Amino acid sequence: AQSVTQLGSHVSVSEGALVLLRCNYSSSVPPYLFWYVQYPNQGLQLLLKYTTGATLVKGINGFEAEFKKSETSFHLTKPSAHMSDAAEYFCAVSQRSGGYQKVTFGTGTKLQVIP
Amino acid sequence: IAGITQAPTSQILAAGRRMTLRCTQDMRHNAMYWYRQDLGLGLRLIHYSNTAGTTGKGEVPDGYSVSRANTDDFPLTLASAVPSQTSVYFCASSDRDRGHNQPQHFGDGTRLSIL
Repeated sequence: AQSVTQLGSHVSVSEGALVLLRCNYSSSVPPYLFWYVQYPNQGLQLLLKYTTGATLVKGINGFEAEFKKSETSFHLTKPSAHMSDAAEYFCAVSQRSGGYQKVTFGTGTKLQVIP
Repeated sequence: IAGITQAPTSQILAAGRRMTLRCTQDMRHNAMYWYRQDLGLGLRLIHYSNTAGTTGKGEVPDGYSVSRANTDDFPLTLASAVPSQTSVYFCASSDRDRGHNQPQHFGDGTRLSIL
């Protein structure tokens, strides 16, 4: 079984401050991990993914995430928040299950950026 | 622009009515999915299809049916709508031939209210 826990349903940061969104996962097999962003009234868009190889993954809009197997974590960071980063962020883990790609999503973290 | 188109964008429906949510993709992805998004619950898989002509049940399939007559279209039907089916519905697709580490691509959703 696989699961995803996102710590903090709401996170507020000041413009220019560090963004840190936390994600912990559990998976019975080596995981494929994703971060998605959702803007109001839109679908989810891929920010970045980890499959194999380098554990520090860079994505779009200046975001990056580090896969830490020992901590079962995949936290999302951005050095300096911008107003346009205000959105909801979802961590997800994917694995093959019964012949289909089973993706388990976290419950999401809403990021508020304060001017 | 390539992607997924969902229709309608929003709908208010009387309980007991039949409703079909439409989903069309132009990326020639073989796998497609239907999710519902509810506050505090993240995204939950309703049904999926690995390829045209096949479908499977996800996490919350009761009250919903799907068909996959061709690669591009994956409609979701509520045979007799109930208020608990009030939700935002997202269609997604992925290139399953490239493996289970591929991201899913999402439409902009259908906001459905059952009264």
